[in-house]
Amino acid sequence: KAGVTQTPRYLIKTRGQQVTLSCSPISGHRSVSWYQQTPGQGLQFLFEYFSETQRNKGNFPGRFSGRQFSNSRSEMNVSTLELGDSALYLCASRGDSPRGYTFGSGTRLTVV
Amino acid sequence: AQKITQTQPGMFVQEKEAVTLDCTYDTSDQSYGLFWYKQPSSGEMIFLIYQGSYDEQNATEGRYSLNFQKARKSANLVISASQLGDSAMYFCAMRMITGANSKLTFGKGITLSVRP
Repeated sequence: KAGVTQTPRYLIKTRGQQVTLSCSPISGHRSVSWYQQTPGQGLQFLFEYFSETQRNKGNFPGRFSGRQFSNSRSEMNVSTLELGDSALYLCASRGDSPRGYTFGSGTRLTVV
Repeated sequence: AQKITQTQPGMFVQEKEAVTLDCTYDTSDQSYGLFWYKQPSSGEMIFLIYQGSYDEQNATEGRYSLNFQKARKSANLVISASQLGDSAMYFCAMRMITGANSKLTFGKGITLSVRP
């Protein structure tokens, strides 16, 4: 079965711009969660969506938002980009099993 | 709150030897799951092994085994017969099983280098 697909793989944006990242989960998985990975802070949880509803949210400013569509695909949006938003953004989809997290290859965002 | 601690500096191992990567965790919950992931330079997080807090046996997945010591709150990963392709970052993570919160909490990671 196809894995988790994240697009684009790489992005370069300018401070102040906004960006939208996409994640297509494994077919049948209803949960999609997002993580930010930076050298300084490590992996931090952004938010989780389940059946189009945000179920959990991490400690990030309101500039970070997301949504999930009826086909379980998810997008995250970052507005008014700052240099510190440069990071690898990882998406994970999960099925019913508690061990069933599958990650995508990530989107590497560089803010200049 | 949950916390994962990985304090080893970069680890080195000779090809074909075994290596243990340390992980300790802190939680007040009784029902939780522990994970190990491998992250090569490409960035993808690759699932290696899972241990549930109520699992009586230590988990094994091929060359990977998890040395789970619940009383000491440790979940060390053992890689047997190391291969050059094992060179990567390794992350320990946990999640609570009860409730709707399925957030993963990660440690800082350990860099493993396999020498030929």
